[in-house]
Amino acid sequence: AQSVAQPEDQVNVAEGNPLTVKCTYSVSGNPYLFWYVQYPNRGLQFLLKYITGDNLVKGSYGFEAEFNKSQTSFHLKKPSALVSDSALYFCAVRPSSGSARQLTFGSGTQLTVLP
Amino acid sequence: KAGVTQTPRYLIKTRGQQVTLSCSPISGHRSVSWYQQTPGQGLQFLFEYFSETQRNKGNFPGRFSGRQFSNSRSEMNVSTLELGDSALYLCASSGVDRGENIQYFGAGTRLSVL
Repeated sequence: AQSVAQPEDQVNVAEGNPLTVKCTYSVSGNPYLFWYVQYPNRGLQFLLKYITGDNLVKGSYGFEAEFNKSQTSFHLKKPSALVSDSALYFCAVRPSSGSARQLTFGSGTQLTVLP
Repeated sequence: KAGVTQTPRYLIKTRGQQVTLSCSPISGHRSVSWYQQTPGQGLQFLFEYFSETQRNKGNFPGRFSGRQFSNSRSEMNVSTLELGDSALYLCASSGVDRGENIQYFGAGTRLSVL
């Protein structure tokens, strides 16, 4: 069975500073990895995915994520945070093979960007 | 292209009642998945439908059921509601039958059970 860990419930960062939201995963075989963001009273909005290829993946709104196979990590990053980035962020994994196609989500990290 | 549409957005029910939630996927998407989001358990997978067939099912009791129609629209039903069923129910659709495809989520239906 696959699992995702987001070790930080809350991350605070000052506007203009770089941000990192951590994610580690466990899955049989090669993973498909995703980051989603959720604003209050909204559904999940896709940010980026890693399927194969370059370990650094670029996504929407200036976000990027680095895949590290040896550390089984997929941390979300942004060079310069905006107040509008404040939201709940979820990392998700699914195996690249087999019949289990559903996403397994981490517990979420609340990001607060302080002005 | 319109996104995933879930109706209704909010529901209030009492224990013992049943409820039906609706999801219209993005045009052309044939896979629809349902998730339950609660503060305590986080996001949990309920089931996935593809071409009117349930393809995967999560670890939920039989009170939770779903179906998909020929136009890919999906409904989920919860019978004999319990207080613990209060949650945000999210529907997601994805494109052709490939595991790497992105799941796009609707805004959700917030169910409150009193």
